[in-house]
Amino acid sequence: NAGVTQTPKFRILKIGQSMTLQCTQDMNHNYMYWYRQDPGMGLKLIYYSVGAGITDKGEVPNGYNVSRSTTEDFPLRLELAAPSQTSVYFCASTDQGGNQPQHFGDGTRLSIL
Amino acid sequence: AQSVAQPEDQVNVAEGNPLTVKCTYSVSGNPYLFWYVQYPNRGLQFLLKYITGDNLVKGSYGFEAEFNKSQTSFHLKKPSALVSDSALYFCAVDFNKFYFGSGTKLNVKP
Repeated sequence: NAGVTQTPKFRILKIGQSMTLQCTQDMNHNYMYWYRQDPGMGLKLIYYSVGAGITDKGEVPNGYNVSRSTTEDFPLRLELAAPSQTSVYFCASTDQGGNQPQHFGDGTRLSIL
Repeated sequence: AQSVAQPEDQVNVAEGNPLTVKCTYSVSGNPYLFWYVQYPNRGLQFLLKYITGDNLVKGSYGFEAEFNKSQTSFHLKKPSALVSDSALYFCAVDFNKFYFGSGTKLNVKP
């Protein structure tokens, strides 16, 4: 099983460019999440979704957008890249909220110069 | 506000010795508690969780964690560390949303 797949693995952007980070899961999970991981800061929740067509903001949503048109896919969009968005981005999914562990992708390493 | 604290940025231990990675939490209720491990250039992997019941929870790779409600702690333990246990460890609390600690780097030296 592939689990949670993120593409691309690495990307360098120029300030002001836009891009979409892709995330897909094959476990039929309803809940999906986007996090960013900065050095020494742990994970910060950007956006999450409890099912197709439903998204909500997390702790640090500014500068990002998401959509959830299918159960499998949860892309993250950066419209105007800024140096502060240099980070490692992780997508995760879980079967339901509450007591189930999250399954993580291997991350997208994004640098904005 | 809900929060999770991992007071140690780094823990060093010799191979074969017991290890403890500390985690305390602050939530107004009964949370679900998790430990995850992260190896270089990989996503987080689930180790174990506490939902209810026995305060000592056993998980993957010989790890266990002890839930202490009075001290609001959920420390990760292993009786005998391996060099291959060297990684970044995250404590997490699920209380309506997931809250992650800042991570503790575990170094196990031969």
